[in-house]
Amino acid sequence: GAVVSQHPSRVICKSGTSVKIECRSLDFQATTMFWYRQFPKQSLMLMATSNEGSKATYEQGVEKDKFLINHASLTLSTLTVTSAHPEDSSFYICSPSKGGGETQYFGPGTRLLVL
Amino acid sequence: AQTVTQSQPEMSVQEAETVTLSCTYDTSESDYYLFWYKQPPSRQMILVIRQEAYKQQNATENRFSVNFQKAAKSFSLKISDSQLGDAAMYFCAYRRSGGSNYKLTFGKGTLLTVNP
Repeated sequence: GAVVSQHPSRVICKSGTSVKIECRSLDFQATTMFWYRQFPKQSLMLMATSNEGSKATYEQGVEKDKFLINHASLTLSTLTVTSAHPEDSSFYICSPSKGGGETQYFGPGTRLLVL
Repeated sequence: AQTVTQSQPEMSVQEAETVTLSCTYDTSESDYYLFWYKQPPSRQMILVIRQEAYKQQNATENRFSVNFQKAAKSFSLKISDSQLGDAAMYFCAYRRSGGSNYKLTFGKGTLLTVNP
């Protein structure tokens, strides 16, 4: 399978601060990046989809000004949680895609805890 | 819109036995992909098996196999000779064929427990 890294794996921050999560596809070029969040014992919920060099498309109910996504290159995408609050505490997972019928692979995830 | 339904929130199996996880989906598309992903306690999503809708033959990966019934829109996963390491949350997922923007639609998951 593909190699995907996410950094940091865990982060604890104070309410009101911003947190940046990096996702890298290490052995292939990702034309599309999907960002998910997952609450305990629930399924993955898609937050947004981004194509390299373009603005992200957000799912209904996801605040684009709060969750800033940058997909500046075919191997790197970032998710910035701005002015984080305790309700933003969750598990965030990136998923790069090469496109077509290619299998989607997933990063190892980032646990965010906002105090 | 496509939907994926996993009707078994939890399942358990004895080590070395066989278990089948159910999944049904709804779509108006004729060309698509179906996947089973495993999420162990580490929470890393791991691809277990994938099936192309245009292929009639059921996919198989070692101890994992699927029963793909396109007309019934059913895609069950069979795990043979269950091992302790198979304990995890299993998600069934659907993806439309074609462009890279097409997203995965997940079921709610089935938590599999393997008893020694």
